[in-house]
Amino acid sequence: AQSVTQLGSHVSVSEGALVLLRCNYSSSVPPYLFWYVQYPNQGLQLLLKYTTGATLVKGINGFEAEFKKSETSFHLTKPSAHMSDAAEYFCAVSSDSWGKLQFGAGTQVVVTP
Amino acid sequence: ETGVTQTPRHLVMGMTNKKSLKCEQHLGHNAMYWYKQSAKKPLELMFVYNFKEQTENNSVPSRFSPECPNSSHLFLHLHTLQPEDSALYLCASSQDPSSGNWYFGPGTRLTVL
Repeated sequence: AQSVTQLGSHVSVSEGALVLLRCNYSSSVPPYLFWYVQYPNQGLQLLLKYTTGATLVKGINGFEAEFKKSETSFHLTKPSAHMSDAAEYFCAVSSDSWGKLQFGAGTQVVVTP
Repeated sequence: ETGVTQTPRHLVMGMTNKKSLKCEQHLGHNAMYWYKQSAKKPLELMFVYNFKEQTENNSVPSRFSPECPNSSHLFLHLHTLQPEDSALYLCASSQDPSSGNWYFGPGTRLTVL
């Protein structure tokens, strides 16, 4: 069984400030972990993923995430928020052979000037 | 543009109507998925097809009927839906699910009156 918990359904951040979105997972086997972004009226776009290897993963648009097995976490960060980062962000986990994705509930990010 | 297209983008239907959602990918992927995205709820996996065979039905009501005639096309046939079925329906595809490379379409926004 696998599950994902995203802490905070809404996050407000000032332009230029740090963006931190929290994700914790549970999985009975080593997981694959993902962050997706969804802009209004669009589908999901992959930001970054962790499968194996380096635990600090860099993605598109300046985002990165660190896999911490001891904390079962995969938090997403960006050093400096931009107005274009306003969107909904989803953490997801996959740990079975068919690769089915289990999503968190999502975090809506609002960026204020 | 991710290579996964969905039509129509918006659909309004009555509870007695029959309609179909279409998903198409020409990425050479062998796995295709239907997800349901409702307000305030995590994305729900509905169906999984691998090599045109349905490998997952996540307890979806029979008023939703998927069809995968070939590895490039996936349909979701809708019949006598309920207002609570109003949601964004997302299609995704992947070549190798274990690699984590899913590609999502833009979704069909369905409203059931």
